[in-house]
Amino acid sequence: NAGVTQTPKFQVLKTGQSMTLQCAQDMNHEYMSWYRQDPGMGLRLIHYSVGAGITDQGEVPNGYNVSRSTTEDFPLRLLSAAPSQTSVYFCASNRARTSTEVFFGQGTRLTVV
Amino acid sequence: KQEVTQIPAALSVPEGENLVLNCSFTDSAIYNLQWFRQDPGKGLTSLLLIQSSQREQTSGRLNASLDKSSGRSTLYIAASQPGDSATYLCAVLYGNNRLAFGKGNQVVVIP
Repeated sequence: NAGVTQTPKFQVLKTGQSMTLQCAQDMNHEYMSWYRQDPGMGLRLIHYSVGAGITDQGEVPNGYNVSRSTTEDFPLRLLSAAPSQTSVYFCASNRARTSTEVFFGQGTRLTVV
Repeated sequence: KQEVTQIPAALSVPEGENLVLNCSFTDSAIYNLQWFRQDPGKGLTSLLLIQSSQREQTSGRLNASLDKSSGRSTLYIAASQPGDSATYLCAVLYGNNRLAFGKGNQVVVIP
C-alpha cells in the first residue's frame, strides 16, 4: 500500500501566486485532514473532511481552500500565497474517529518569497 | 479547546538509560491518543495508539500509558539507543475527528 501520498515534496512560490498541494490515500479512509507545522507552534489543523463532499475548517483556515470530490483525494489550495504560509504541510487520513490510528503523508515543504 | 502539553521540551540522556516522556491534555473526552516519532526534515511515524478505554500499549522497547481521567500519558523507552534520537509527538483525537498535538519532546541519546 502506498498509504498517504503528498505532492510535491518541495515548492517555492512568489507572493501572490496560487497553487494546489495534492494529497491522495489508497486505504479507503473516510476522514482526511491538512496540518501545518511551524517551529515553536507544533502541528495545527487547517481543514478537514469527514467524507466526500463534506469539509470543515480547523484552527488556521484563512488563506486556504479545500474540496473533497472523491474519497481518495483531498487537495489544499493556496489562493494567493503569503510569506506567512511558509511552512511544512502534512496530509493525514484515518478510517473512523473512534478506533483507528491516523496516517500521515511525508509532507510538503513550502517556501513563499 | 483541547490543549496538549509535552514536558520536557528537550532532553539528553546517555545511551542505555530509560527515557520517560510526558504528555498532558486538558479535555478528557478523547477517542484515542497516539504517539509519533519525527526525524529532522521527515514526516510522522506512528509509534503507539492507545484507545480511550485502554490503560497502556506496548511495542518492543516502547510502552505508553494513558490516564484519561487525569489527562495524562507517558511514553517509556527502555534502554535508549542513539537511533532513538528524534522528536516525539503526542496527539489526542477528539471532537469531530480533530487531532490536537503537543509541541514535542526533542530527544538526544548520547553514545
